[in-house]
Amino acid sequence: NAGVTQTPKFQVLKTGQSMTLQCAQDMNHNSMYWYRQDPGMGLRLIYYSASEGTTDKGEVPNGYNVSRLNKREFSLRLESAAPSQTSVYFCASSEAPGGWNTEAFFGQGTRLTVV
Amino acid sequence: DAKTTQPNSMESNEEEPVHLPCNHSTISGTDYIHWYRQLPSQGPEYVIHGLTSNVNNRMASLAIAEDRKSSTLILHRATLRDAAVYYCILSPGGVQTGANNLFFGTGTRLTVIP
Repeated sequence: NAGVTQTPKFQVLKTGQSMTLQCAQDMNHNSMYWYRQDPGMGLRLIYYSASEGTTDKGEVPNGYNVSRLNKREFSLRLESAAPSQTSVYFCASSEAPGGWNTEAFFGQGTRLTVV
Repeated sequence: DAKTTQPNSMESNEEEPVHLPCNHSTISGTDYIHWYRQLPSQGPEYVIHGLTSNVNNRMASLAIAEDRKSSTLILHRATLRDAAVYYCILSPGGVQTGANNLFFGTGTRLTVIP
């Protein structure tokens, strides 16, 4: 049972480059989330998708776009990477539509460095 | 947004119980209390959650104050594998679209001493 799978695990980008972080879950969950975690900090919500076909901004959405491709997949795109986007990115999913009343599962993270 | 307050760090001896406190004085009547932990270089991992009554599972126990303004995560016998950052998080109850008001904070870093 894979749970939440993120690719890639590591990435180095040059300023201005673009890339897409991929996330897939195999638990048939309705809600999916993207967080970033800076050194010594807690997680901050970038975007979330309460159900297939919907997406909403979180606390720190600037510089990012998302796509809920289907129920399984939720991708995060950086159109023009900036050094301030150097962080560890976590994808998560939960069963409840739009809610956190049940257990959420997190991926192992993508460590992104923008130089 | 309802937020939580936790000590920055705590220490425990191996095989002793650990009580991790969390204050949430602005909690609303329908907010759930969640605990997650994050081991080094890993994503957060669910520990336990509850609404009003104390909860037990294979990992831990959650003791919720009668007024719900504080809670305590109890690890009954700390092991070296329990060394992690523990996050206390509030989430609105029911089907809702307010995921943008979830707040992780910086959590409590638990050190387990052999």
